[in-house]
Amino acid sequence: DQQVKQNSPSLSVQEGRISILNCDYTNSMFDYFLWYKKYPAEGPTFLISISSIKDKNEDGRFTVFLNKSAKHLSLHIVPSQPGDSAVYFCAAIDSMNPPPGAQKLVFGQGTRLTINP
Amino acid sequence: DAGVTQSPTHLIKTRGQHVTLRCSPISGHKSVSWYQQVLGQGPQFIFQYYEKEERGRGNFPDRFSARQFPNYSSELNVNALLLGDSALYLCASSLVPYEQYFGPGTRLTVT
Repeated sequence: DQQVKQNSPSLSVQEGRISILNCDYTNSMFDYFLWYKKYPAEGPTFLISISSIKDKNEDGRFTVFLNKSAKHLSLHIVPSQPGDSAVYFCAAIDSMNPPPGAQKLVFGQGTRLTINP
Repeated sequence: DAGVTQSPTHLIKTRGQHVTLRCSPISGHKSVSWYQQVLGQGPQFIFQYYEKEERGRGNFPDRFSARQFPNYSSELNVNALLLGDSALYLCASSLVPYEQYFGPGTRLTVT
């Protein structure tokens, strides 16, 4: 039962253009969402997050959009740089799932982003 | 500042053996979580500990156990290893909900 899905295993974008990574979820109880970036031989690195009370959060080149009615979120990277080439994971939390404060992140399968010069 | 550290980096074990993986959280972080990442998949939640108490458990068999020490470091133990336990084991620590910071992982290979 894949509650968080990233349907694109890979994405290739030209340097300087916009990268858009998509994520869908099925559990309507999810109320907090995060994006992580992972390089080979390293652990995932936190990028940006969004609460379900918002529909947009921006941090520098990274913007996350949340569409609760569609159970869909996306990560926009503008402009894309060669160092952005990595695997990107979408993750979600049901913050009210007992016990309170439990921080079980539910991850998607990941999307490999390649930025071409 | 030191990030989350994990040891060992790599490990090779034989089926039926036992393994212990270790994690030191970022200084000041009291919550530690463990995840298993199989090749081609996203990390899967195993355990979360906060203030030495188990706060969450994922859908893993009882062969998996963990504990957290007074200094907030943690151990993940896996008994009776199976070939399917081969994976990258990630530890994450957090201070504020819900942004977890991951270590580099321990690559476990079971032969």
